[in-house]
Parts: sequence; structure tokens; C-alpha cells
Amino acid sequence: QTVVTQEPSFSVSPGGTVTLTCALTSGSVSTSHYPSWYRQTPGQSPRALIYTTNKRSSGVPDRFSGSILGNKAALAITGAQADDEADYYCMLYLNNGIWVFGGGTKLTVL
Amino acid sequence: QVQFVQSGAEVKKTGASVRLSCKASGYTFTSHAMHWVRQAPGQRLEWLAWINTGNGNTKYSEKIQGRVSITRDPSASTTYMELRNLRSDDTALYYCARAGGGTNWAYFDSWGQGTLVAVSS
Repeated sequence: QTVVTQEPSFSVSPGGTVTLTCALTSGSVSTSHYPSWYRQTPGQSPRALIYTTNKRSSGVPDRFSGSILGNKAALAITGAQADDEADYYCMLYLNNGIWVFGGGTKLTVL
Repeated sequence: QVQFVQSGAEVKKTGASVRLSCKASGYTFTSHAMHWVRQAPGQRLEWLAWINTGNGNTKYSEKIQGRVSITRDPSASTTYMELRNLRSDDTALYYCARAGGGTNWAYFDSWGQGTLVAVSS
């Protein structure tokens, strides 16, 4: 079974930069997995940030950017703000018509 | 604006079935596929299934295949998910999520508010 892994938690200072990653337990993440990223705060539905590796969803500031770093998908957040504290999930499309979410990264800004 | 109204919370016994609904508005219903995602308390998001709202084709995760059916009613702009033979680990918040349109089909650009399903013996 394909498993998608993310860092369980990450901490960043206000104004700092953080890069979250998204890996496959077997194989490399590529653009053909159409990586997307979502942010979820407590009690709220997820919200799309990045799709198709590096496209920003509507209304998402350019502090958020997506890429492929080595064999992983990556989400970079620059100029971190207090309200960036959230759970961040990556999602990959597997070429058999199945989607898989990562385990999520809990980002703390302090 | 794009909106989804999901059905209300459900409390079920193990072995029972549940049917959830997701009514869309603010766009052409058949222009976007619809996905279902769930989140158990304190757990990760879990993709469950998707339906082509135009032709009704479906695809389910291996984990729940055989216990789930996704249907849609274009005349009502509504998608339905039925989950059968409920187990305690089906307890979760169930979201409908719209696929992006056109070439942006592989991500979920809008989400419903979620329906809580609680399963106990």
C-alpha cells in the first residue's frame, strides 16, 4: 500500500522561512503525481494552497510556493505569520485514479 | 459563489448504513467531479472516493470498496455517499470536495463543511 509521509511537526519563527516536504514510502514524487497542498485550522474545512506542484490557489499569497525538491514535493512558506499556525496536508494523485493524503504537518509559529 | 451544503450529523449502530448528501450551488454541477474525504478525530485526511458528475463514473479507495456507493443527481446538483456495514472506525467527519475544473482536475478547490458520522455498538 502506498503511503505518503510528512514531517509530523515543524516550528518556525515569525518572519522566518520553513519548507515542508511530502514523500512516498516507495518511489519518488514527481509532477505526474500532481502534488497539492492544503491548510487546515482547528474546526475548519481544509483549504487548497498549491496545486499541480507549484500553482497557487485563488487568493493564496505568494509567501506560499510549491516545488519538487529531490524526490519529494515541497511547500515553502516565507515571512511566517502567527496565523500560519495550522495543519498542512499534501495530497498526491496515483496513476490508477486514486488520491492519497500525507499524514499532515503541524506547524507552530513561535 | 461556490457553496456546498452537507447533510446533518448522523449517529449509527455498528452494521448499519448511512447516506450522506452534498448539495452544490454557484457553478455548473456537471463541470466538476466531486470527491469524498473523511477525517477521524485527531487523524489525517483520508481520500475515499470520487464521481464524475457528468457521466456518473466512480472510483473508490481500496479500504472501503465494497461498502460504499457514490451517486449523483444532476437535476438537484447533489452528490450522495452511502456507506454500509458501518464499523466504529468509520466514525469521522465526512467532507465533500470539488475537483478543480478543466486541466486542474487533480486537486480539490472547494470543500463542504463536513458531516459528522458517529458509529457505536
